[in-house]
Amino acid sequence: GQNIDQPTEMTATEGAIVQINCTYQTSGFNGLFWYQQHAGEAPTFLSYNVLDGLEEKGRFSSFLSRSKGYSYLLLKELQMKDSASYLCAVKDSNYQLIWGAGTKLIIKP
Amino acid sequence: EAGVAQSPRYKIIEKRQSVAFWCNPISGHATLYWYQQILGQGPKLLIQFQNNGVVDDSQLPKDRFSAERLKGVDSTLKIQPAKLEDSAVYLCASSLGQGDVETQYFGPGTRLLVL
Repeated sequence: GQNIDQPTEMTATEGAIVQINCTYQTSGFNGLFWYQQHAGEAPTFLSYNVLDGLEEKGRFSSFLSRSKGYSYLLLKELQMKDSASYLCAVKDSNYQLIWGAGTKLIIKP
Repeated sequence: EAGVAQSPRYKIIEKRQSVAFWCNPISGHATLYWYQQILGQGPKLLIQFQNNGVVDDSQLPKDRFSAERLKGVDSTLKIQPAKLEDSAVYLCASSLGQGDVETQYFGPGTRLLVL
């Protein structure tokens, strides 16, 4: 079966750094996406990785290791507005997106 | 550029009633997706269209759910009759195509409550 695992909930402090992990087992791999979803809103695109390594985009970075079936999203200089759920999704061999359940990130002052 | 439009934003119905949702994708986007998202879970794909053809409807409960995209642009999703477990957010998304780098853009969703 196809499976995406990520922690259910994480808590971090404003101004700190947090790493949200995602492990996957899918039939084929055609890229990994991270989306941010604020409560009551639709998911918005954050990052895309298809090759191994780190992709940096401002305060957010995403890392991929295809051999380990592993990715993480790194958020630096956390702000209160970063409180949201972070969804990991993988495109399988049929280019279908397989979604994780999301990690709820709580930022405390 | 206008985003993905959905209506209504909220809907409350009683079980066994029918309901329909509408979605207009980003202009020029050939691929359209309907997702169901239950609170605390990731989105679950119900159906994917490429222009006006169905690419994947393997997780669509076809005894009660139907969807169409007749002219290859906007789409409707219908539930008839609704059950309590259909209470969820119904998200529409679109992308230019369905290749590896294609990013899906989501509409605001329709929040359905079945009583």
